Amino acid sequence: KAGVTQTPRYLIKTRGQQVTLSCSPISGHRSVSWYQQTPGQGLQFLFEYFSETQRNKGNFPGRFSGRQFSNSRSEMNVSTLELGDSALYLCASSLSQGIRGSGNTIYFGEGSWLTVV
Amino acid sequence: AQSVSQHNHHVILSEAASLELGCNYSYGGTVNLFWYVQYPGQHLQLLLKYFSGDPLVKGIKGFEAEFIKSKFSFNLRKPSVQWSDTAEYFCAVKAAGNKLTFGGGTRVLVKP
Repeated sequence: KAGVTQTPRYLIKTRGQQVTLSCSPISGHRSVSWYQQTPGQGLQFLFEYFSETQRNKGNFPGRFSGRQFSNSRSEMNVSTLELGDSALYLCASSLSQGIRGSGNTIYFGEGSWLTVV
Repeated sequence: AQSVSQHNHHVILSEAASLELGCNYSYGGTVNLFWYVQYPGQHLQLLLKYFSGDPLVKGIKGFEAEFIKSKFSFNLRKPSVQWSDTAEYFCAVKAAGNKLTFGGGTRVLVKP
């Protein structure tokens, strides 16, 4: 069974540009969430999608957005990039929501390394 | 809102030593608890999880963790570490939905 797949793995962008990152969850998983990992701030939750609806959002500016498609694949977009957006962006998937049952185990992809110059 | 704190930022130990990493969380309701590991240059991998039942959970690679509800703690242990356990370890809490709140991480260096 394939894991969570993220593309692209590495990218370099210039300040002011925008970027779109893609995530394919584990087959059958309907929940997709995104995290930003930086040395200074650690792992921070960006947002979560379930059945194409955003269910939860972290404390990030509106420049960060996402969406989920009917096949559960997800994209996140960052507009007007800033140097501080340089980070590893992690996508995670889960079979379901809630806090009961092993279907709520969250699995991570390898991440997309974004460098803003 | 929940928060997670990991007591040690860096731990250095020799092979065969025992490892214990502390994790405390703050949240009044029911939670799921996780430990993830990130080996150098690799992605986050699930070590173990606690949902309910036996508070002592066993994970992969000989790791185990104990959930102590009264102390809001979920400490990770391994009786005898190997050089290959060098990694960063993250404790995480999940309440409703699928939002994980992570601790700051503990970098573990095992000297051969």
